[in-house]
Amino acid sequence: DTAVSQTPKYLVTQMGNDKSIKCEQNLGHDTMYWYKQDSKKFLKIMFSYNNKELIINETVPNRFSPKSPDKAHLNLHINSLELGDSAVYFCASSAGPGQYQPQHFGDGTRLSIL
Amino acid sequence: DAKTTQPTSMDCAEGRAANLPCNHSTISGNEYVYWYRQIHSQGPQYIIHGLKNNETNEMASLIITEDRKSSTLILPHATLRDTAVYYCIVRVREGQGAQKLVFGQGTRLTINP
Repeated sequence: DTAVSQTPKYLVTQMGNDKSIKCEQNLGHDTMYWYKQDSKKFLKIMFSYNNKELIINETVPNRFSPKSPDKAHLNLHINSLELGDSAVYFCASSAGPGQYQPQHFGDGTRLSIL
Repeated sequence: DAKTTQPTSMDCAEGRAANLPCNHSTISGNEYVYWYRQIHSQGPQYIIHGLKNNETNEMASLIITEDRKSSTLILPHATLRDTAVYYCIVRVREGQGAQKLVFGQGTRLTINP
């Protein structure tokens, strides 16, 4: 069984469109994250939710809006997609928000903007 | 942030021990050392973490120097499936009590047959 699953795995769309990426974890974890890995392969955190509450919000454009309907899900909606949004987006989860908790990552959503 | 310095790339023969070094000379007393790896086209995978003492689990061993300024990740019997980028992370900044993993460039480890 996949612990952290993301859909879709690949997303190709045109500039200006709005798209969503979904993430689900079946580990019973309380905390979930979104990371972005750019073309230079640097991984950077974007958001984190703990028990459906936003606890980390990095400097990310307002076009990116996370939503956590329940502890097991954290979705990412992106408005007015731009060329620079092309990247791999990773969802992760951990048992809690503290620094003692390892994070478990999904396999990523590869977003390409045409 | 406590910065980490890792070799850009390393090679290791299959079956031998792979020793991946990491320098973190500005680490503070309450910061943990974490190791993750990313196999091509997959998400990062947690390997091990430690504070002061050496740690071992089913995947690897972590040796932290007494002054905590450097550490070494040891894969005791490397296999081809261990080929990946290995990230040493010591700056886990906490915002609102939360953990932020700050990834650097990592070490690209290639296991050769």
